[in-house]
Amino acid sequence: GAVVSQHPSRVICKSGTSVKIECRSLDFQATTMFWYRQFPKQSLMLMATSNEGSKATYEQGVEKDKFLINHASLTLSTLTVTSAHPEDSSFYICSARVSLGYTFGSGTRLTVV
Amino acid sequence: KNEVEQSPQNLTAQEGEFITINCSYSVGISALHWLQQHPGGGIVSLFMLSSGKKKHGRLIATINIQEKHSSLHITASHPRDSAVYICAVRLNYGGSQGNLIFGKGTKLSVKP
Repeated sequence: GAVVSQHPSRVICKSGTSVKIECRSLDFQATTMFWYRQFPKQSLMLMATSNEGSKATYEQGVEKDKFLINHASLTLSTLTVTSAHPEDSSFYICSARVSLGYTFGSGTRLTVV
Repeated sequence: KNEVEQSPQNLTAQEGEFITINCSYSVGISALHWLQQHPGGGIVSLFMLSSGKKKHGRLIATINIQEKHSSLHITASHPRDSAVYICAVRLNYGGSQGNLIFGKGTKLSVKP
């Protein structure tokens, strides 16, 4: 089946540094990748939609200069959290549409200290 | 009010029990998804429904489009079914290129 590989699964970084999260589609081409964030006991919330070869579409309230999305190829989309702050600590997960629904990465738990 | 509401929020069951998780939504949808999120956070897609009923192993999902309601049933529950079950809908208009709107999830614990 269609698999999205997401790395890293956990990362701890210092305030002010940047963190890059990668999502790779392993056996299919993902022209679109959805990036979600989930705070404890909350629903997954869409942050942005990345499209191969074009600019990402950000949801209202999501700072595009802080959350940089790159979708340079049909198999790789990245999310970079720049100048991370403790309030950016969250669970980030990517997802791609496939023929039978959606496939999800395994998620990245980011802790900013 | 959230567009996707799930009940119950938390559910504890004894092994072997029949479990039902409910999902109601208030928007027009093209499909409804049931997802399973494990303690580590990883998410697995269980079902995609646009009408009727689907079954996979001990899991059954139903949807009533007129009533805007879906249920996920687990028969003969087992401790390994313990997870958060999430209902998500795909809108049938506009939207961000097909993204999903998620419920808050139902945390299921099945005791041996």
